[in-house]
Amino acid sequence: NAGVTQTPKFRVLKTGQSMTLLCAQDMNHEYMYWYRQDPGMGLRLIHYSVGEGTTAKGEVPDGYNVSRLKKQNFLLGLESAAPSQTSVYFCASRKLAGGKDEQYFGPGTRLTVT
Amino acid sequence: AQSVTQLDSHVSVSEGTPVLLRCNYSSSYSPSLFWYVQHPNKGLQLLLKYTSAATLVKGINGFEAEFKKSETSFHLTKPSAHMSDAAEYFCVVSDLKTGGSYIPTFGRGTSLIVHP
Repeated sequence: NAGVTQTPKFRVLKTGQSMTLLCAQDMNHEYMYWYRQDPGMGLRLIHYSVGEGTTAKGEVPDGYNVSRLKKQNFLLGLESAAPSQTSVYFCASRKLAGGKDEQYFGPGTRLTVT
Repeated sequence: AQSVTQLDSHVSVSEGTPVLLRCNYSSSYSPSLFWYVQHPNKGLQLLLKYTSAATLVKGINGFEAEFKKSETSFHLTKPSAHMSDAAEYFCVVSDLKTGGSYIPTFGRGTSLIVHP
């Protein structure tokens, strides 16, 4: 099992450029999440998905879009990047079944917008 | 609605002394509670979790936490700090959101500094 993987690990964008971050999990989890982490702010939820074909807004969704066309993949898109989106982005998947409740995190993507 | 407050942004201890990282929560339902650790430039690793079983929860690397409903607390402790424990620690609460989704809420983190 690879667990949760994120692509790319690092990226530098210019203001106004677009990009897509890919999160993949091979654990057959229903729930997937995208967070951003900024100093002193903990992790803030951007969007989440409770199953294939479903997405929902989290705490800080503005400027981001997501898609979950396949159960194992959760994509985060930035249509027009802004310096305020400079952050570390973490994806997570979650198992909520059989009495278990465990969230697994990817290694993160460090994004800088200039 | 749920929320979590980590009472200290930084905690500094000497190697070999006890560690206490404090976390208070609020929740409308019976919550699940978690502690995660994040070492520099790394992802998050689950230390331990409480999901309505035993109130004293043992985790990895000698950490444990006690769920106290009357105090709405879930403090993380370790009897003797090691240099490798220096990291950022996050307390997380998760309860059943209206509509049936469990959405975790993260605390802002506590940075544990361990002096030789």
